[in-house]
Amino acid sequence: GENVEQHPSTLSVQEGDSAVIKCTYSDSASNYFPWYKQELGKRPQLIIDIRSNVGEKKDQRIAVTLNKTAKHFSLHITETQPEDSAVYFCAALMNYQLIWGAGTKLIIKP
Amino acid sequence: NAGVTQTPKFRILKIGQSMTLQCAQDMNHNYMYWYRQDPGMGLKLIYYSVGAGITDKGEVPNGYNVSRSTTEDFPLRLELAAPSQTSVYFCASSFGNEQFFGPGTRLTVL
Repeated sequence: GENVEQHPSTLSVQEGDSAVIKCTYSDSASNYFPWYKQELGKRPQLIIDIRSNVGEKKDQRIAVTLNKTAKHFSLHITETQPEDSAVYFCAALMNYQLIWGAGTKLIIKP
Repeated sequence: NAGVTQTPKFRILKIGQSMTLQCAQDMNHNYMYWYRQDPGMGLKLIYYSVGAGITDKGEVPNGYNVSRSTTEDFPLRLELAAPSQTSVYFCASSFGNEQFFGPGTRLTVL
């Protein structure tokens, strides 16, 4: 079946450094790729998304890049802060359904 | 607006019992979804609905049923609960691509 692979499963970075999370997807027809942040015990919340007609999108310290040929997309967080600590999920829209990656636990070290 | 609401927040079931998880949204969204999230994992789609009277299976529908008689409500029914159904259940709704999540129901089957 269709799937989304996400790496790494855990990422530990020093506060102020950058963090990069990568995802690959299987369905070349996918055209929508959101990233969600989930804090412990809370619901997932959308932080940024990108559509297939765009290669990059930025929102303050967060950016997402998309390579449709290679079928992969990445989340970039710059100048990381303690409040960035959470689990981040990528997803891809396939056949009207969002297929989710397994998540990346981001740890910000003081 | 209350957004997406779910009841109950927590529930413990015995093996073989049945229950209904309630989900409601007040944003007039056509699309609604039920996901389950096992510990340390991403979200898996159970069922979804594109409008009142229309439902379809997601990745993991076995052991569950849904109905959508109104735009606002999308209950999830568990018949004959099994330990494998221990999970956190999230309901979500959308108008376009962005999905809005409820706070979740933590279900334990013993």
